[in-house]
Amino acid sequence: EDKVVQSPLSLVVHEGDTVTLNCSYEVTNFRSLLWYKQEKKAPTFLFMLTSSGIEKKSGRLSSILDKKELFSILNITATQTGDSAVYLCDLYNNNDMRFGAGTRLTVKP
Amino acid sequence: GAGVSQSPSNKVTEKGKDVELRCDPISGHTALYWYRQSLGQGLEFLIYFQGNSAPDKSGLPSDRFSAERTGGSVSTLTIQRTQQEDSAVYLCASRRERAPLFFGPGTRLTVL
Repeated sequence: EDKVVQSPLSLVVHEGDTVTLNCSYEVTNFRSLLWYKQEKKAPTFLFMLTSSGIEKKSGRLSSILDKKELFSILNITATQTGDSAVYLCDLYNNNDMRFGAGTRLTVKP
Repeated sequence: GAGVSQSPSNKVTEKGKDVELRCDPISGHTALYWYRQSLGQGLEFLIYFQGNSAPDKSGLPSDRFSAERTGGSVSTLTIQRTQQEDSAVYLCASRRERAPLFFGPGTRLTVL
């Protein structure tokens, strides 16, 4: 069975710090890896990664996929309190979309 | 509407009662998913529908749970004989093929 493992499970930092969140997976077939941010309610989409080694960037957030080593990282630079959320990694395998347990990030002022 | 909508937003019920949760996906989205999230936990996959194909029910936790999607659009998740452990937020999401999920606001179910 395909497995998605996120680490760390939780992380507490101060504003201005840089964080790296990890998502590793074991797959048989693989299409895309997606990152979502979940604050109070429903997750919202951040990145969709299909090709290995190509960084996607949006403001202070960036993400990259390594298909050889089977992981993806999500980087957040100059963190702000508004970045506090659960970050979810989702493996898109044909029609199946199964999430990792998430990393709970807390950014303190 | 512009996004995925779910109703009711909150539902409080007594143990043993049946409940129905509704999801209206984004128009044109062929795939629809139901997830469950207990307090402080991750997203638990329940079921998904893709076009006219048979749904993938592999995530349903027991035979008290069922779902249908009528006309390839609206979906209803039914929980029969609710138990206290069914208390959670039930999230619906939809997407076009090979595209990210768009989530609804969820239904918070509380079983007393």
